[in-house]
Amino acid sequence: DAKTTQPPSMDCAEGRAANLPCNHSTISGNEYVYWYRQIHSQGPQYIIHGLKNNETNEMASLIITEDRKSSTLILPHATLRDTAVYYCIVRPYLSNFGNEKLTFGTGTRLTIIP
Amino acid sequence: SAVISQKPSRDICQRGTSLTIQCQVDSQVTMMFWYRQQPGQSLTLIATANQGSEATYESGFVIDKFPISRPNLTFSTLTVSNMSPEDSSIYLCSGKRGGTEAFFGQGTRLTVV
Repeated sequence: DAKTTQPPSMDCAEGRAANLPCNHSTISGNEYVYWYRQIHSQGPQYIIHGLKNNETNEMASLIITEDRKSSTLILPHATLRDTAVYYCIVRPYLSNFGNEKLTFGTGTRLTIIP
Repeated sequence: SAVISQKPSRDICQRGTSLTIQCQVDSQVTMMFWYRQQPGQSLTLIATANQGSEATYESGFVIDKFPISRPNLTFSTLTVSNMSPEDSSIYLCSGKRGGTEAFFGQGTRLTVV
C-alpha cells in the first residue's frame, strides 16, 4: 500500500473549516484514499473515501488533486467534538481478501479551539 | 451500521498471565481484524481472524503469543499470552462486510504490572 504523509498536529477555531492535508505521492491507479478519525478513548471511525473525484458526505468533503498525489479532508464547520486524530490511508478498493486490512500511519492530531 | 462490543473494556493483569478479549458483532461480517495500539502510537494490525481456520498474522506477531479464534461470523477472541509490561496497549477489534467500510470496537485497555 502507498505511504501517506500528514502533519503531526493542527489547530482550528470552532465554527471554521478544518482543512487536513495528506500526501500520497506513490499512490497507484487502483488505490483509494480513505479517511478515518479516532476520538480519544474510542475506536477509529470511518469518515469518507474517494478515488479521483471530489466526494462529500454528511461528515466531510474530500478533495483529491488531479494527479492524485495529495488530498485534503475538509470539515466545513468544526465543532469541539471534531477534536481527534485523523488518519489518511490509501489501499486498493477492489479487494481479493488480504487487501481489506487498513494500514494506519501516524495521523494528524486536530484540536478544535473554542 | 453494525456495532462491535468488546469485553473486557479494560483490565489490569499480572505479568506471566494470559487474557482473552472477546469481540461480538451485532450482525454477520465477512472479515474481522485485531489491532494493537501502544501508548501514544498509531494502530498496528496483529492479524486477520478467519472463520473456521487459522488466523493470518502480520509480520512480528505469532500465534503462540496472540492466539485468535473465530468460530462464527459474529464472534472472535484474541488471547494475549504470557504477558509482560510491554504488552500494555489498547487492543481493538474491527469488522467489515462486503460493500461497507471497516468499523471498530471501543477497544480493550490492557495494563500489565
